[in-house]
Amino acid sequence: DARVTQTPRHKVTEMGQEVTMRCQPILGHNTVFWYRQTMMQGLELLAYFRNRAPLDDSGMPKDRFSAEMPDATLATLKIQPSEPRDSAVYFCASGLVQGGGTEAFFGQGTRLTVV
Amino acid sequence: AQKITQTQPGMFVQEKEAVTLDCTYDTSDPSYGLFWYKQPSSGEMIFLIYQGSYDQQNATEGRYSLNFQKARKSANLVISASQLGDSAMYFCAMREAGGLNAGNNRKLIWGLGTSLAVNP
Repeated sequence: DARVTQTPRHKVTEMGQEVTMRCQPILGHNTVFWYRQTMMQGLELLAYFRNRAPLDDSGMPKDRFSAEMPDATLATLKIQPSEPRDSAVYFCASGLVQGGGTEAFFGQGTRLTVV
Repeated sequence: AQKITQTQPGMFVQEKEAVTLDCTYDTSDPSYGLFWYKQPSSGEMIFLIYQGSYDQQNATEGRYSLNFQKARKSANLVISASQLGDSAMYFCAMREAGGLNAGNNRKLIWGLGTSLAVNP
């Protein structure tokens, strides 16, 4: 049963520390999304990749966030330095976009708490 | 301006009854897709159903159906015979084609969600 895998599931860190979240997309999918979900803002798109190339990261605070896809099986989202306002659930999703509509399959999320 | 509007922050339904979750959207793009996702308390996002703007018939997937009214720009989710396990947040999302220059650079635009509680 193919699924998107995110690690870690939970992360508690102190303000100022670096946080790296990892995502393994579904094999064969060509698009990877990073989302952040908070109670106040709902679901926000941070960045997405098509065939490992970043297409849009306008939703991401550039000074502290970075997203990469070092290979087709791994996407990373890094926060350095982390701040309490970064506390949220971070979702990775992947999909196969060939034209028309297609669903994005979500991972279980990383719940980040910055204290 | 909000592109996806879910006007019901919370909904309640009796088990075994049907429930409709509202979603209206705003786009000038003639080609777009509409999605519904479910997020239970465990936090994962689960794809439920998809409707393309050119689809002639309303999408159905098991107990889920999409009441697509193109002229009104609404894409309501209907859950028939609701079950206790249907209690969750439900999100409506849209992907626009984006025009000739967009290629495949299309993002999902999300509503803020509706919380559904199914009562026994």
